[in-house]
Amino acid sequence: GAGVSQSPSNKVTEKGKDVELRCDPISGHTALYWYRQSLGQGLEFLIYFQGNSAPDKSGLPSDRFSAERTGGSVSTLTIQRTQQEDSAVYLCASIPGGDLGTDTQYFGPGTRLTVL
Amino acid sequence: LAKTTQPISMDSYEGQEVNITCSHNNIATNDYITWYQQFPSQGPRFIIQGYKTKVTNEVASLFIPADRKSSTLSLPRVSLSDTAVYYCLVGVHGSGNTGKLIFGQGTTLQVKP
Repeated sequence: GAGVSQSPSNKVTEKGKDVELRCDPISGHTALYWYRQSLGQGLEFLIYFQGNSAPDKSGLPSDRFSAERTGGSVSTLTIQRTQQEDSAVYLCASIPGGDLGTDTQYFGPGTRLTVL
Repeated sequence: LAKTTQPISMDSYEGQEVNITCSHNNIATNDYITWYQQFPSQGPRFIIQGYKTKVTNEVASLFIPADRKSSTLSLPRVSLSDTAVYYCLVGVHGSGNTGKLIFGQGTTLQVKP
């Protein structure tokens, strides 16, 4: 079946511009994560959505970052007034059930963001 | 959330068995141990998960001692294509829990010919 898709695959923007990154999770999955991965580093948790519950935004690095999930499916991560330190790969993961601690996370290919 | 510690990097040669050990000293009773693999320019993918003793699948084995304060991922007869970053995670099992998995820096495995 279809996996997790993310768009765009690459995004180059100028400092100060806003960007939107999109994640299409696996149909029927109830939870969705956003991570950020800087070059040569591990994954940094940003935010997760679980069903209709309020999202856990504890990983968002600043108020320039926001995310929403419409209809329990597609999610958009928005970065306002981008800075060079925002350059990274942004990964989305889709989780089938309600057990965030043990359910398998299915990752998308990521969006590589470069801020000039 | 239980913190995990793994070696930053390891080298091996094709055909060898590779064992990557992860420490999780403050693992809780309901925590499970999960390993993910990440190839360059891809998102991580699930390898194996366990609670105690030994788990084996077509890709790897996971050994967990009785005290569960560590775990060892074992990759039999590695090939060049096993070159990747391997992440050890500990997460609480239970429906409706709001815990989240934390990916550390992982172990970069370099397999040489």
